Amino acid sequence: QVQLVESGGGVVPPGRSLRLSCAASGFTFSSYGMHWVRQAPGKGLEWVAVISYDGLNKYYADSVKGRFTISRDNSKNTLYLQMNSLRAEDTALYYCAKDPTWQLLPKYYFDYWGQGTLVTVSS
Amino acid sequence: EIVLTQSPGTLSLSPGERATLSCRASQSVRSSYLAWYQQKPGQAPRLLIYGASSRATGIPDRFSGSGSGTDFTLTISRLEPEDFAVYCCQQYGSSPYTFGQGTKLEI
Repeated sequence: QVQLVESGGGVVPPGRSLRLSCAASGFTFSSYGMHWVRQAPGKGLEWVAVISYDGLNKYYADSVKGRFTISRDNSKNTLYLQMNSLRAEDTALYYCAKDPTWQLLPKYYFDYWGQGTLVTVSS
Repeated sequence: EIVLTQSPGTLSLSPGERATLSCRASQSVRSSYLAWYQQKPGQAPRLLIYGASSRATGIPDRFSGSGSGTDFTLTISRLEPEDFAVYCCQQYGSSPYTFGQGTKLEI
């Protein structure tokens, strides 16, 4: 069965960096686009970034553009999110999520999710 | 940006009853690109419905979605104890791809 397991969250001061990872199993990782979605405490979900199945195309929400970088290693079945210049408003539970579309442009909805990793930006 | 407004914020029902959840968009959602998810504390969100009315793999047929344009509905025909959770809608027709704030379905 599909499994997505996030890691790398923690408490970090404003302005610092953090890298999240998402280990995928149970499907052909290299054939599907992947996303990061976050949820701030008490708030709704917010789409953060997407990467195409081959890693060639990446898109970001305006709120993180220029600060966050999504990447993937298909040989390791792992998705990453490099977060730089972190702000208090980046505090959230970060989910990795699978796009349902096989080797095509992402559809931007999510058929499988991980349980999330918590990032807290605080001094 | 398309704003999705879900109502009610909280819905109190009993097992066996019918639940009707609403998701209203501030602009028309292109091609009915509307999804519904179920969220339970400590668990991964679960896709229920995509394309406004298509059930995702493994979703029981008591869950159904309908609607188009700006008005969408998730219906749970007969509530089971495991259905009490938060439900949120998401539009993926136009960037930014936005979510509603959620409806909490409680006993």
